[in-house]
Amino acid sequence: GPKVLQIPSHQIIDMGQMVTLNCDPVSNHLYFYWYKQILGQQMEFLVNFYNGKVMEKSKLFKDQFSVERPDGSYFTLKIQPTALEDSAVYFCASSLHRVREQYFGPGTRLTVL
Amino acid sequence: LAKTTQPPSMEAYEGQEVNVSCSHTNIATSEYIYWYRQVPHQGPQFIIQGYKDYVVNEVASLFISADRKLSTLSLPWVSLRDAAVYYCIVTDRMSNYNVLYFGSGTKLTVEP
Repeated sequence: GPKVLQIPSHQIIDMGQMVTLNCDPVSNHLYFYWYKQILGQQMEFLVNFYNGKVMEKSKLFKDQFSVERPDGSYFTLKIQPTALEDSAVYFCASSLHRVREQYFGPGTRLTVL
Repeated sequence: LAKTTQPPSMEAYEGQEVNVSCSHTNIATSEYIYWYRQVPHQGPQFIIQGYKDYVVNEVASLFISADRKLSTLSLPWVSLRDAAVYYCIVTDRMSNYNVLYFGSGTKLTVEP
């Protein structure tokens, strides 16, 4: 079936540094999402993105977070600066239409030291 | 959004049919029911969605009670690969961009 790719699979950085997580969504999809899952805890919604704009975001989507998809390339999540509590697996998802199913990538494990 | 309640865990043997229940007693008329599953170290995978009655696809079937307060995901012949956490998610297709709010799900263990 359709695949969502995420690069890198694992990233280790020092607290305070900037990190960019990259997502290659399904090619014809129009809606994009980021979710965060801390080890052993529930998956939590961060943000969704459509037509070049953030449509909804949760309280977990702090001011240090930003998303963009320049010119139809990767959908990115940038964290600047990072904090220890940002350590988690970040999942990207995409869907063709807002009421259709979402396809998830394999996740990027972010470790902030 | 309607809160969902699922059993925290279930066990089955390979080849058995497994039925995972989900209670959503406050489901609204604009809300739909989605089921996803997640195996370790992977992202969630869509299984099936429905609004009422009975839905079936090549992977599973979904039965929704007449009052829509209860749904049951049925996996006909489970294998070891079906061991995963199964999430029942209710989402309002009218008022948001289909954001998925995951609960703690049902952890299905499959024994050989």
